[in-house]
Amino acid sequence: NAGVMQNPRHLVRRRGQEARLRCSPMKGHSHVYWYRQLPEEGLKFMVYLQKENIIDESGMPKERFSAEFPKEGPSILRIQQVVRGDSAAYFCASSVAENSPLHFGNGTRLTVT
Amino acid sequence: SQQGEEDPQALSIQEGENATMNCSYKTSINNLQWYRQNSGRGLVHLILIRSNEREKHSGRLRVTLDTSKKSSSLLITASRAADTASYFCATDDQGAQKLVFGQGTRLTINP
Repeated sequence: NAGVMQNPRHLVRRRGQEARLRCSPMKGHSHVYWYRQLPEEGLKFMVYLQKENIIDESGMPKERFSAEFPKEGPSILRIQQVVRGDSAAYFCASSVAENSPLHFGNGTRLTVT
Repeated sequence: SQQGEEDPQALSIQEGENATMNCSYKTSINNLQWYRQNSGRGLVHLILIRSNEREKHSGRLRVTLDTSKKSSSLLITASRAADTASYFCATDDQGAQKLVFGQGTRLTINP
């Protein structure tokens, strides 16, 4: 039973380009969360989605960032016009229900040059 | 938003010793969870303790929860080199549907 799959593992973008991060949740999980982690820091909540719905996007910047979890296919975190401050590790997690333990992917490390 | 705060930020002990990490939080919770993160990897769930529980065990792990003090502790007994990792507590805002993580404790087990 495959775990949470994130790709790519590493992504390098120049300032102003777009970054698209993909996450396939564990089989049977319909709750997806995105977190950002800076070096030596904890995880910062960004967005919580269920299939075709954004439930809580209170941690996501209002501009340039968007997330989706379509009926078919992976969840996508999209960052437009990236800036150096967007460089971080972005983790996706899934759960079978609300308030259940989260299963994390190994993250996408975004570097903006 | 509330956030758990772990203490200490870093802990280095000898293999075989016990390691204790603490977590404090700010508001009411439904449950508190502990996670481990190895370098360069995602977080792995260790244990969940509900607000009406005071203590929970899982193998070499022992977690306590004191809701009156809004604090929790994670004890790892008979530590091993493989326990070297960062440990995070996470809490849910009552009524919210997300986990909020602390800054973590970096644990190093010296052989």
